[in-house]
Amino acid sequence: AAGVIQSPRHLIKEKRETATLKCYPIPRHDTVYWYQQGPGQDPQFLISFYEKMQSDKGSIPDRFSAQQFSDYHSELNMSSLELGDSALYFCASSTQGGANEQFFGPGTRLTVL
Amino acid sequence: GQNIDQPTEMTATEGAIVQINCTYQTSGFNGLFWYQQHAGEAPTFLSYNVLDGLEEKGRFSSFLSRSKGYSYLLLKELQMKDSASYLCAVRDSNYQLIWGAGTKLIIKP
Repeated sequence: AAGVIQSPRHLIKEKRETATLKCYPIPRHDTVYWYQQGPGQDPQFLISFYEKMQSDKGSIPDRFSAQQFSDYHSELNMSSLELGDSALYFCASSTQGGANEQFFGPGTRLTVL
Repeated sequence: GQNIDQPTEMTATEGAIVQINCTYQTSGFNGLFWYQQHAGEAPTFLSYNVLDGLEEKGRFSSFLSRSKGYSYLLLKELQMKDSASYLCAVRDSNYQLIWGAGTKLIIKP
């Protein structure tokens, strides 16, 4: 069965650079979520989209933005990167606007030097 | 505020049974999820409870008491591959998932 795809899997950036993370949800899933997970921490919800519209906003910094495109893939844009942005970034997708369980992608490990 | 509590770490023996507890205080309740997460990997869905009672799925069972704000995940016939973090997450009235910090389960031979 198809799963959530994230790219890249690993990314190394310098401070103050920008990064773009991509997420391709499971086909026919209408809701996409972005999470940030630091070492030994629980996933922190950043933002979600339902049918290409932002549906909820969590602890996403103003330096970050995201959108969902017509093909339902989503991109998380991160600017003015800081050392503290180093983390695993997960994308998850679900159906029915989030009424069902979330299926997580493999994550993108971002390291900011 | 919203809060989910679960033990930080538990240790159990291969072949035994372990129960991981989760208590929650959230603004509204629209279901409780248990996820398993191996280090450096994505969380994977284990179970979902929205009504009181026990949901059984193979070696794993999950229980919910909404009046007590309490759930547990029961793992039977423990295997070494069950060593992972177990995350309790509650969906609140806005359908947002509130995550616990996770319980790191260590299985010893």
